[in-house]
Amino acid sequence: GDSVTQMEGPVTLSEEAFLTINCTYTATGYPSLFWYVQYPGEGLQLLLKATKADDKGSNKGFEATYRKETTSFHLEKGSVQVSDSAVYFCASTSGSARQLTFGSGTQLTVLP
Amino acid sequence: DAGVTQSPTHLIKTRGQQVTLRCSPKSGHDTVSWYQQALGQGPQFIFQYYEEEERQRGNFPDRFSGHQFPNYSSELNVNALLLGDSALYLCASSLGPGGETQYFGPGTRLLVL
Repeated sequence: GDSVTQMEGPVTLSEEAFLTINCTYTATGYPSLFWYVQYPGEGLQLLLKATKADDKGSNKGFEATYRKETTSFHLEKGSVQVSDSAVYFCASTSGSARQLTFGSGTQLTVLP
Repeated sequence: DAGVTQSPTHLIKTRGQQVTLRCSPKSGHDTVSWYQQALGQGPQFIFQYYEEEERQRGNFPDRFSGHQFPNYSSELNVNALLLGDSALYLCASSLGPGGETQYFGPGTRLLVL
């Protein structure tokens, strides 16, 4: 079945550091890919998405490019802030209901 | 623009009891999906409702059931609760069953003792 694999966490960075969180997927068909963010005690917020190969999703300084050849959708940000501290989930869609398959999440902590 | 809302926010039950969780979709959305998120894990798909019918189901037992109302709101019912049912239950809404983007509510945290 479909699956999403994220890099192991937690990740701790200093403010203004460069961020990469790796994500790879296995899927049948042509999934859309997403990054969601979860702040403590809250639900999931959509961060960005890409619906086809070579698309780049971007939002709030975060970017990710849909790479079909490497089945990857790595999340990057050039300069992280303390307020970016959260858990980040990579996800893909599958099935007629386009249900989301999530990775296990990566906890990011940014220190001032 | 009202987002996805869920109630209650927290719930404590004992083993063997039954629970009902509620969800109202984002304004304009007609499809509701439910996910279970165990502590430290990513959410897992339970099922999706559209036009008041269950359209797709994940790998969850029949103890998990749902309902969708004519106003598109939805309920998730869990019978014969087990300790392992303790989790954050997330509702997501989309426009149509094949809607590309799902928007999540804040979740209901269920603790089974």
